[in-house]
Amino acid sequence: GQNIDQPTEMTATEGAIVQINCTYQTSGFNGLFWYQQHAGEAPTFLSYNVLDGLEEKGRFSSFLSRSKGYSYLLLKELQMKDSASYLCAVSETDSWGKLQFGAGTQVVVTP
Amino acid sequence: ETGVTQSPTHLIKTRGQQVTLRCSSQSGHNTVSWYQQALGQGPQFIFQYYREEENGRGNFPPRFSGLQFPNYSSELNVNALELDDSALYLCASSRGDSYEQYFGPGTRLTVT
Repeated sequence: GQNIDQPTEMTATEGAIVQINCTYQTSGFNGLFWYQQHAGEAPTFLSYNVLDGLEEKGRFSSFLSRSKGYSYLLLKELQMKDSASYLCAVSETDSWGKLQFGAGTQVVVTP
Repeated sequence: ETGVTQSPTHLIKTRGQQVTLRCSSQSGHNTVSWYQQALGQGPQFIFQYYREEENGRGNFPPRFSGLQFPNYSSELNVNALELDDSALYLCASSRGDSYEQYFGPGTRLTVT
């Protein structure tokens, strides 16, 4: 089994930076994913980390430390449209498609 | 290139009934995964189909079953519906050699 923990909610101001932490305990590991999900919509892929380090993609960056079972998603220059749930997910060792998700972190961006 | 589509969008069923949900995968994708997402929770993996064969299953009872067709579209069947089955059901398609999954818009199932 896998335990994936992330904060329930975070609030930040437009233009600011927010860091969403995710810790996981798994028997195997084949990558960590971050997805964004707006209310009532499907999750959309943000990032994938399989090696330690930082992956940067525009305003979003994701970091992974496999030895610590830790990842974070960094959202810079926050915009109102970034208000959404951010899901951390871990892939089992034998297939990328079988993702184990955390409960999600609701990010609220205020003016 | 069309994205992942699901039908129906919403569905209301009574406890004890059976339901079939459908998913059309993205063009070129041969793998479909199904997830159940309860309100305020992350998606929970139900099962995956790869080239018409079940390729892994999460912690769901046998009354959750599925099919994948030669065109890689897929169905999720749930028998003997329970109130706790009320959720958003998501399917996601991918190529077998790629880590990227593309989710459909989901089917909102309400069991009364």
